[in-house]
Amino acid sequence: GENVEQHPSTLSVQEGDSAVIKCTYSDSASNYFPWYKQELGKGPQLIIDIRSNVGEKKDQRIAVTLNKTAKHFSLHITETQPEDSAVYFCAASWSDYKLSFGAGTTVTVRA
Amino acid sequence: ETGVTQSPTHLIKTRGQQVTLRCSSQSGHNTVSWYQQALGQGPQFIFQYYREEENGRGNFPPRFSGLQFPNYSSELNVNALELDDSALYLCASSPGTGGADGYTFGSGTRLTVV
Repeated sequence: GENVEQHPSTLSVQEGDSAVIKCTYSDSASNYFPWYKQELGKGPQLIIDIRSNVGEKKDQRIAVTLNKTAKHFSLHITETQPEDSAVYFCAASWSDYKLSFGAGTTVTVRA
Repeated sequence: ETGVTQSPTHLIKTRGQQVTLRCSSQSGHNTVSWYQQALGQGPQFIFQYYREEENGRGNFPPRFSGLQFPNYSSELNVNALELDDSALYLCASSPGTGGADGYTFGSGTRLTVV
């Protein structure tokens, strides 16, 4: 089955700086790569996703890049704000019924 | 448009007992998936229900079972609870069965087994 590894496990950044989270996946058939944000006491919320026919996608301060050859993808958050503090999960899917998640990255934005 | 609602939000059970968790799908979604999230880990896929039938299953024993009802709501049942079953149980609904069809997660049920 699909195995997704996520790094780093924790990330502390100064407000206004950028944050980068990286994930690798094992199944070359995977073609959908979402990122979720989970705040305390809440379920994961989709913040951005990318499909395998695209190399990069951007939505305001958030961007995701995908390298299918190397089987890795990354989340970039620019101009971080305190409300960006949360746990972020990457996931992968190959159009079957499930998502395979990474272990998560706890992001802390210092004011 | 309502989101995914789960009940209860928290509960405590004793080892060996049985538990039922409930989930109401987002309007327009016909598929429900259940995930287990242990503390400090990412969610792990338990199973998915589509048209009241189990559509796929992760690496969980048979004591984890589910139901989907005609209104697309769902239940997760766990028998013979073990201490390791303590986790956040997440329900996600989607408009299709594929992982790329756009999950909406509920806030989860925090189960503690003592």
